[in-house]
Amino acid sequence: DAGITQSPRHKVTETGTPVTLRCHQTENHRYMYWYRQDPGHGLRLIHYSYGVKDTDKGEVSDGYSVSRSKTEDFLLTLESATSSQTSVYFCAISAPSMATNEQFFGPGTRLTVL
Amino acid sequence: KQEVTQIPAALSVPEGENLVLNCSFTDSAIYNLQWFRQDPGKGLTSLLLIQSSQREQTSGRLNASLDKSSGRSTLYIAASQPGDSATYLCAVYNTDKLIFGTGTRLQVFP
Repeated sequence: DAGITQSPRHKVTETGTPVTLRCHQTENHRYMYWYRQDPGHGLRLIHYSYGVKDTDKGEVSDGYSVSRSKTEDFLLTLESATSSQTSVYFCAISAPSMATNEQFFGPGTRLTVL
Repeated sequence: KQEVTQIPAALSVPEGENLVLNCSFTDSAIYNLQWFRQDPGKGLTSLLLIQSSQREQTSGRLNASLDKSSGRSTLYIAASQPGDSATYLCAVYNTDKLIFGTGTRLQVFP
């Protein structure tokens, strides 16, 4: 298995509070991604990073911010959590080859916003 | 905008059957296509990746094919087993992002 961990694995929080999810990799891969998975929508890309301090928006980036100060860590922050952000969040990594870009996923974080 | 569709949404079969899962996409300008397996409450496990220049990939009892011109991929599972029960997702790599289908939930019963 790819060396990807996510923390916390489960979190319950209240509307309006800030939340930060962490993704840590031991593979030294350049690309890292944050997805959310919701019934009926599949996985949707929130933000991604193509290097330290290099990030870009995905399909559903509103209400989320990210930071990457080290190759191994990619943080996802919900500045003020809302109930619509209740979801399962997955981090993924990929090697830099454009030809393949095979992505490997972490175990996920289940977030509930009350 | 790229859209990925998987049919059927759910499938229940007896052990031993050979089965085909379908994935279609609207924009044929893809770099590759990746098939994943997801067990309940778990993350995604990469099964096969087919580059745009390839027609198929095989891994054990799994075979995935790709027809870019028609916007289709199939995942063939030979001699299905109860341990194959999971949700299978396909995703296409389009420009710089993976676009996912909503998956086929497979149940293989003894």
